[in-house]
Amino acid sequence: NAGVMQNPRHLVRRRGQEARLRCSPMKGHSHVYWYRQLPEEGLKFMVYLQKENIIDESGMPKERFSAEFPKEGPSILRIQQVVRGDSAAYFCASSPRQGGTDTQYFGPGTRLTVL
Amino acid sequence: QKEVEQDPGPLSVPEGAIVSLNCTYSNSAFQYFMWYRQYSRKGPELLMYTYSSGNKEDGRFTAQVDKSSKYISLFIRDSQPSDSATYLCAMSAPQGAQKLVFGHGTRLTINP
Repeated sequence: NAGVMQNPRHLVRRRGQEARLRCSPMKGHSHVYWYRQLPEEGLKFMVYLQKENIIDESGMPKERFSAEFPKEGPSILRIQQVVRGDSAAYFCASSPRQGGTDTQYFGPGTRLTVL
Repeated sequence: QKEVEQDPGPLSVPEGAIVSLNCTYSNSAFQYFMWYRQYSRKGPELLMYTYSSGNKEDGRFTAQVDKSSKYISLFIRDSQPSDSATYLCAMSAPQGAQKLVFGHGTRLTINP
């Protein structure tokens, strides 16, 4: 059973460009979470999605950031007009159901560098 | 005050030592407690999962939760150089999206 897959693993963008990060959850998992890990900081929740629905986006910056989890295909985290402060590791996690008994399994992350 | 506080380390111990890692938290709604291990430039790997108060043991690892003190611990027995990593505590509440709230992480080095 393949784990959570994220691509690309490394992404370099210049200021003002767009970044698209992809996450394929584990097989059988329909809940996806995105977290950001800034240098020398802990993981911070960004957004929680189920298929075709954003459930909680309380951790998303108000501007430039968006996320989706379409009926078919991976979840996408999109950052428009990137700035240097967006440089971080972005991790996706998945779980089979919403519920305390189902913990979250993390992917390897996408490391975004903004020049 | 942060919701979750974790000893920042870094922590360096000799091989074979018992390691104690700790977190405190302020949100009494937290019911689910986890420890993740993260190697450099890798994703977090789930080590231990505990519901409510009590102890849980898995091999060389023991997780303890004391909800009355809002304090959780991870003990590593017979520590090995391969245990060298950053250890993250995480917790969530049963209501809402059950997003994980993480501690900052403790960097641990086991010296051969």
